[in-house]
Amino acid sequence: DAKTTQPNSMESNEEEPVHLPCNHSTISGTDYIHWYRQLPSQGPEYVIHGLTSNVNNRMASLAIAEDRKSSTLILHRATLRDAAVYYCILRDNNNDMRFGAGTRLTVKP
Amino acid sequence: DTAVSQTPKYLVTQMGNDKSIKCEQNLGHDTMYWYKQDSKKFLKIMFSYNNKELIINETVPNRFSPKSPDKAHLNLHINSLELGDSAVYFCASSQGQRSPLHFGNGTRLTVT
Repeated sequence: DAKTTQPNSMESNEEEPVHLPCNHSTISGTDYIHWYRQLPSQGPEYVIHGLTSNVNNRMASLAIAEDRKSSTLILHRATLRDAAVYYCILRDNNNDMRFGAGTRLTVKP
Repeated sequence: DTAVSQTPKYLVTQMGNDKSIKCEQNLGHDTMYWYKQDSKKFLKIMFSYNNKELIINETVPNRFSPKSPDKAHLNLHINSLELGDSAVYFCASSQGQRSPLHFGNGTRLTVT
């Protein structure tokens, strides 16, 4: 139902880059790829989104495959505060955003 | 100056009661949402309102009724509460149907 597939969990060391993968093989041409994260006891927080081209902002980078069937969220230098559940979501014309199980990122000092 | 605020933060009540959760956003957004996060941590959309009109209504029991008195508010009223309604409920807002969602910090509802 969520239309995306992510690993259940990943680990990273502090100050190292993290690459969080997401598969969305059934993506349609008008679906945007959104990433959110949820820190413990907080609401989800927007991270980044894109359609076809790679995107960069102050939080992260989004690399989108040429066929758009997968994408990767890149945290350039993980900090302890980046430990969270990361959700990859497809957003369609109906404004529908369905969250999957996400990837739980653990950052080790 | 919280962008999306929900009240109360915690709500403990007994089965059969009626309760409301309030949500307000001060971002000037025209679309607001309610999501439910169950014990397995899955986030599911319940309702979406655009300019005070319902545009998404997932198959939630009709005991749940969203009410939007104006663009800045989307309240959730729940009748005849059941044990299975226990969850964290998140309100969110966005400007238009393409811009990112801003979430509140959730209301943890416990039905005993």
